[in-house]
Amino acid sequence: ETGVTQSPTHLIKTRGQQVTLRCSSQSGHNTVSWYQQALGQGPQFIFQYYREEENGRGNFPPRFSGLQFPNYSSELNVNALELDDSALYLCASSRGGGNYGYTFGSGTRLTVV
Amino acid sequence: DQQVKQNSPSLSVQEGRISILNCDYTNSMFDYFLWYKKYPAEGPTFLISISSIKDKNEDGRFTVFLNKSAKHLSLHIVPSQPGDSAVYFCAASAYNFGNEKLTFGTGTRLTIIP
Repeated sequence: ETGVTQSPTHLIKTRGQQVTLRCSSQSGHNTVSWYQQALGQGPQFIFQYYREEENGRGNFPPRFSGLQFPNYSSELNVNALELDDSALYLCASSRGGGNYGYTFGSGTRLTVV
Repeated sequence: DQQVKQNSPSLSVQEGRISILNCDYTNSMFDYFLWYKKYPAEGPTFLISISSIKDKNEDGRFTVFLNKSAKHLSLHIVPSQPGDSAVYFCAASAYNFGNEKLTFGTGTRLTIIP
């Protein structure tokens, strides 16, 4: 059983650029959630995808968008990057909607300069 | 507005003793609580959870206590081992017809001293 894999592991972008982060969910899981963890903070919910549809969204602006594919993998896209977007982005997959049985990936460390 | 609070950023405990990590919450709609453990360069790993209909849940060395009237939960680790050194996050959720999200605290860094 493979776990959740995220790519890339580290990324440096310039303010104003766009970035795409990728996540492969654990085998058998059909729900993917994305979280942002700023330095010294706990993870904050960005949004969740269930069966390719957005299934809940946190308090993040529309320039944060996502996709889920038929194989349940997912992308997080961030447009017009700001310095405050620098954070660890965590993907978590689970079976069914909701948060039960989350498996987290190791995250993508995004630095915006 | 921090709905889940972990007021101790760090805690040091002697190996073999009990580690007690605390968490407070403000949202009375939360009905499910979880603890996650995080090592550097890894994602959070689920440790133990408790539903609001219980006041205690035990799994091996880990026990979570929930005091709903005080909106407080705690994680007890006994005996503490060096491998328990990590950042521990408390998280909470409210039932929302399958749209639940986790609200995390800011974490407590636990260091077990050999």
